[in-house]
Amino acid sequence: ETGVTQSPTHLIKTRGQQVTLRCSSQSGHNTVSWYQQALGQGPQFIFQYYREEENGRGNFPPRFSGLQFPNYSSELNVNALELDDSALYLCASSPDSHPTDTQYFGPGTRLTVL
Amino acid sequence: GDSVTQMEGPVTLSEEAFLTINCTYTATGYPSLFWYVQYPGEGLQLLLKATKADDKGSNKGFEATYRKETTSFHLEKGSVQVSDSAVYFCALTPNTGNQFYFGTGTSLTVIP
Repeated sequence: ETGVTQSPTHLIKTRGQQVTLRCSSQSGHNTVSWYQQALGQGPQFIFQYYREEENGRGNFPPRFSGLQFPNYSSELNVNALELDDSALYLCASSPDSHPTDTQYFGPGTRLTVL
Repeated sequence: GDSVTQMEGPVTLSEEAFLTINCTYTATGYPSLFWYVQYPGEGLQLLLKATKADDKGSNKGFEATYRKETTSFHLEKGSVQVSDSAVYFCALTPNTGNQFYFGTGTSLTVIP
C-alpha cells in the first residue's frame, strides 16, 4: 500500500499568479481533504472531496478550488495569489467520508508567494 | 463556531517523566476528537481518537479521555521517551458536516 504523495515539494510564485498543487491518495480512498498550514500554526481545513464532488468547505474564498479524479489523484488550485497564501499545503486521504475515518496525510507542498 | 484550544508549548521533559498536553474544545452537538502527531521530518499521523463522551482513545502508551462535562480531551503518557519528541495536534470534527478543526500544536522535546 503506497502512502499519500504530493507534488511539487516546494514552489515559488509571485502575487497575482495562479498555482496548481497535486496529491495522489492511497488506492481505494474515496475522500481527499486539503489543508493550509501557516508557519507555527495548526492545519486549516480548506475543503473535502468525496467521489469527485466537493463535500465540505472551510472558511476560504472561492479562489481556492479543487478537483478530484477517478484515479485517486486530486488538485488544489489557487487563483490570484496573495502574500498570505504562503504556507504548507497538506492533502489527506481517507477511505470514506465518515467524519471519524482516519486521515492519511501527505508530506505537503511548501508554497512561497513573493 | 467550532474550535480547539491547546496548551502552548514548547514543552521540554526528561525521559520517563509524566506528560499532559491540555486540549479543550468548543462545538455544538457531539464532535469526534483526535490527537495527531508530527514527528520530525514526517507527515501528520493519527495518534488516537474518541468518538463519543467518556470514550478513551489509546495508542503507543498515550491516552486521552473525551470529557463532555469539561469539553476536554487531554493527552497523557505515564513515561515519555526521547522518541516521543514531536509536535502534537488536537483536532475535532463535528458529526454533522464535513469539516475538521486543528489546534495550533504543542511541541514536545524529551531529553535523555
